[in-house]
Amino acid sequence: DAMVIQNPRYQVTQFGKPVTLSCSQTLNHNVMYWYQQKSSQAPKLLFHYYDKDFNNEADTPDNFQSRRPNTSFCFLDIRSPGLGDAAMYLCATRLGLVVYETQYFGPGTRLLVL
Amino acid sequence: SQQGEEDPQALSIQEGENATMNCSYKTSINNLQWYRQNSGRGLVHLILIRSNEREKHSGRLRVTLDTSKKSSSLLITASRAADTASYFCATDGRGTGANSKLTFGKGITLSVRP
Repeated sequence: DAMVIQNPRYQVTQFGKPVTLSCSQTLNHNVMYWYQQKSSQAPKLLFHYYDKDFNNEADTPDNFQSRRPNTSFCFLDIRSPGLGDAAMYLCATRLGLVVYETQYFGPGTRLLVL
Repeated sequence: SQQGEEDPQALSIQEGENATMNCSYKTSINNLQWYRQNSGRGLVHLILIRSNEREKHSGRLRVTLDTSKKSSSLLITASRAADTASYFCATDGRGTGANSKLTFGKGITLSVRP
């Protein structure tokens, strides 16, 4: 089945140690999103790619970076994780050509910072 | 700033009862979407209603949209224990194509007692 896959599902890292979260999709969608969701809060958009074009949200910290080497894969890099970066990270995709297209979410990666 | 605000924040009902959840938003939208999130999981798209639509049905779900009041409601009829989850409304703003973005509310926690 076509889907959005996130690896790993759980990630433990140390304070200040760089970490990379992975997202892949078999939907062949043009747009890929990364959201941060802290406990009992709304998902917050960090950035998105339309094809190779990167769109950063104005309030996304510089500590967060992203790479999209091809259509299928997108990575979230946290250069120096702080305790406040512990959260669920959600990847989503959208076809992107029509504004009424829905977003398809992966299961998320829960990040713990020690 | 957060676009969607759900009401109530938490809802507990008996299996078989109907559950009504409300969402208010602040600015003009292209569409409004409802998502479900089971504990520790990703978001699952439930239903999308366009700004020119007033009501939409999907199985046991009924969504209404009142753009004059900037509000929406999600009704789940004949609830089941498996409906226990968090429900989020998300508004898709006036961006175009791939630049349209979802803004999520904080969510409503629904508990359905067997």
